[in-house]
Amino acid sequence: NAGVTQTPKFRVLKTGQSMTLLCAQDMNHEYMYWYRQDPGMGLRLIHYSVGEGTTAKGEVPDGYNVSRLKKQNFLLGLESAAPSQTSVYFCASRRGQGNSPLHFGNGTRLTVT
Amino acid sequence: AQSVTQLGSHVSVSEGALVLLRCNYSSSVPPYLFWYVQYPNQGLQLLLKYTSAATLVKGINGFEAEFKKSETSFHLTKPSAHMSDAAEYFCAVSEYSGGGADGLTFGKGTHLIIQP
Repeated sequence: NAGVTQTPKFRVLKTGQSMTLLCAQDMNHEYMYWYRQDPGMGLRLIHYSVGEGTTAKGEVPDGYNVSRLKKQNFLLGLESAAPSQTSVYFCASRRGQGNSPLHFGNGTRLTVT
Repeated sequence: AQSVTQLGSHVSVSEGALVLLRCNYSSSVPPYLFWYVQYPNQGLQLLLKYTSAATLVKGINGFEAEFKKSETSFHLTKPSAHMSDAAEYFCAVSEYSGGGADGLTFGKGTHLIIQP
């Protein structure tokens, strides 16, 4: 049982380049999330989805887009990367709301030069 | 709006000593509370969660946390620290009312250092 899988694990981009991060979960969870983790900042929510075909903005959505075309996949896109987007990105999913815990992937470390 | 404050970005304890990691929350409604652990170069793993069934919650690896409504706290403890406990620990809150579809709100984390 793989849980939440993120690809790629590492990536280096030049300013202005674009890329897509892929998140896949095999737990049939409705809710999926993208967070970024920066030193001393904890985790901040970028975008989230409460079901296939739906997405919503989180705390820090600027510069990112997402899509949830299939229930098991949640894509995070950077159209024009900036150095401020250098971070570790985590995808997470949960079965429901409230007391349902988040299940995390192992992260993607992105460096923008 | 909900928020979480973790007191101390770094906590250092000796092996075998008590571990105490502090978490205070702010929520307009009864919250759900979680503790997660992150080992280097890994994602976050759930340690334990509070869901109103009992104020003292036991988790994995010998950790436990007590919910104190009057103090709006959910501190994490372990009686005897092991070297393997060295990691980053995050407290998180999800509001009960409305379900919290926008996930959990995390504290900034506490780095636990174990001295031999």
